[in-house]
Amino acid sequence: GNSVTQMEGPVTLSEEAFLTINCTYTATGYPSLFWYVQYPGEGLQLLLKATKADDKGSNKGFEATYRKETTSFHLEKGSVQVSDSAVYFCALSVQIGTGNQFYFGTGTSLTVIP
Amino acid sequence: DSGVTQTPKHLITATGQRVTLRCSPRSGDLSVYWYQQSLDQGLQFLIQYYNGEERAKGNILERFSAQQFPDLHSELNLSSLELGDSALYFCASSVNQGGYGYTFGSGTRLTVV
Repeated sequence: GNSVTQMEGPVTLSEEAFLTINCTYTATGYPSLFWYVQYPGEGLQLLLKATKADDKGSNKGFEATYRKETTSFHLEKGSVQVSDSAVYFCALSVQIGTGNQFYFGTGTSLTVIP
Repeated sequence: DSGVTQTPKHLITATGQRVTLRCSPRSGDLSVYWYQQSLDQGLQFLIQYYNGEERAKGNILERFSAQQFPDLHSELNLSSLELGDSALYFCASSVNQGGYGYTFGSGTRLTVV
């Protein structure tokens, strides 16, 4: 089946620390991979994506590389800021019949302290 | 503003009642997706419509139904509500089948009392 497993939180880091949030997946076919971010009281926003193996998605200093050999899509940022405090969701998208279905991880809460 | 509009933002209703949640997709997007987010279940895919037709179904209860209208807005109907239906309900839209990501609305918070 299709599923996403991401590291459990909460994660608390000091400002300017290095961030890694692990994400691994199981999928049939050729999924696209995504990271979404949810700020308090808001909907999910697309942070970055990668649509094929070895692609690197990047946005706002965040990066993730689609690793087919390890079925992983870990999120990294070299220096986090207080404004990065949010919940981060890893997701995959696969074609199901004539439609498309997303599978989300359970989310990892990040708090960055000054 | 993501361009996906959900109404109402908050809804409080009693058990056994029926409610309708509305979603207007981003301009130009043909696909609409509904998700339920609760603390214990995380983000659960409910259903997808593409240009008025149902395309994919997830963990949607029989008490729930949805449709997408010719103007592409969508409604999620929840009936015989139970306390456990209390959650955030998100709508998302995409241009095509979603392979390149969705745009989410800000959600409707449903509280069943």
